[in-house]
Amino acid sequence: DTGVSQNPRHKITKRGQNVTFRCDPISEHNRLYWYRQTLGQGPEFLTYFQNEAQLEKSRLLSDRFSAERPKGSFSTLEIQRTEQGDSAMYLCASSLAPSGSYNEQFFGPGTRLTVL
Amino acid sequence: AQSVTQLDSQVPVFEEAPVELRCNYSSSVSVYLFWYVQYPNQGLQLLLKYLSGSTLVESINGFKAEFNKSQTSFHLRKPSVHISDTAEYFCAVLTYGQNFVFGPGTRLSVLP
Repeated sequence: DTGVSQNPRHKITKRGQNVTFRCDPISEHNRLYWYRQTLGQGPEFLTYFQNEAQLEKSRLLSDRFSAERPKGSFSTLEIQRTEQGDSAMYLCASSLAPSGSYNEQFFGPGTRLTVL
Repeated sequence: AQSVTQLDSQVPVFEEAPVELRCNYSSSVSVYLFWYVQYPNQGLQLLLKYLSGSTLVESINGFKAEFNKSQTSFHLRKPSVHISDTAEYFCAVLTYGQNFVFGPGTRLSVLP
């Protein structure tokens, strides 16, 4: 088990361009989460999937953001028409669905996006 | 809604000295509490958690945190820090059926 992986690790783009990030969760985990972390702040929840189904989206996830998990394994997060305010670290985490109160989320190393 | 406050954005401390990283939260319902650590260029790692039972919880590398319901606090302490403890530490709360709410983080710098 190699943990949660994210690609690319760094992305620099010009304002107005589209970008896509990929997250590969721990193989047996059926839940996958996306967070955004801006400088000097903690991670903020964006959305999560259980298998292929996107079950919750934060109000932070504007119409320019779309996430998919087509086969219930890896996930992609796309940002269209990027803005400078989108510059952040995008974190992915995975877990088993809670059988009781809580199951630990395991985080990937993140993708750092810089929008020029 | 839940919120988490970490009053200290940066804490410099000399090696082998004790350290306390403060965390306060607000919530109208019962919470689960967590400390995560983020080393440079790495993802967040769970350091310790309080779900129920004993209010004092401990990590494998000597950090301890105590849940204080009356003060709505979950401060992280270590009696003697090492250079390798240099990292960013995030306090987080979770309520049943909700998602994590993280604090802004405290950067711990251990100086030789």
